[in-house]
Amino acid sequence: DIVMTQTPLSLPAIPGEPASISCRSSQSLLDSDDGKTYLDWYLQKPGQSPQLLIYTLSYRASGVPDRFSGSGSGTDFTLQISRVEAEDVGVYYCMQHIEFSQMTFGQGTRLEIK
Amino acid sequence: VQLVQSGAEVKKPGESLKISCKGSGFFFPSYWIGWVRQKPGYGLEWMGIIYPGDSDTRYRPSFRGQVTISVDPSINTAYLHWSSLEASDTAMYYCARSISSGLPTMSFDIWGQGTMVTVSS
Repeated sequence: DIVMTQTPLSLPAIPGEPASISCRSSQSLLDSDDGKTYLDWYLQKPGQSPQLLIYTLSYRASGVPDRFSGSGSGTDFTLQISRVEAEDVGVYYCMQHIEFSQMTFGQGTRLEIK
Repeated sequence: VQLVQSGAEVKKPGESLKISCKGSGFFFPSYWIGWVRQKPGYGLEWMGIIYPGDSDTRYRPSFRGQVTISVDPSINTAYLHWSSLEASDTAMYYCARSISSGLPTMSFDIWGQGTMVTVSS
């Protein structure tokens, strides 16, 4: 299994301020055949199903505000929120899918508003 | 475009159960459908995926032999089945659809509302 490790596990954030979450994988998520990095970010808002935010490292999913961005390479990745809003509260998960059908999530980062 | 899951279930240990996930608004046979488990207060775990077009099914090792994933493409519905439930199966179960049609892309952009399964004697 590829192990995904997120930091921090809890993130107090101030509305209007930036915030970031880190994710590290136990092996590289770069596919040398196609040059893509198979790392996604999901948000699970309280009482809701997960929703896709970022896929394949840095592509925003449909309808996701541009204050969300994904970056990184190899085994180290970051989700950045340029200006936190109250609606961003929830648990953020990184997920790898470099190995077809053997996806694994990080343990989750809970973002709360200060 | 949506996935609608069957309702909450309360079962006893040893009972069998099949929950469903019905797709609408898209060509169901061309998208991978996955199942995710979330135990109360815990994170997300992938269980397995199925391609309705040819019923190709893949399981995460820890779930192989514990559950069965199946599909009926004629009614745009995927299933998750247990033959003998245990208390440790108590969880919310989500189905999700892959983002790309016809491609093995394991990003999932459409999620069902979840089915809560409670197993208790």
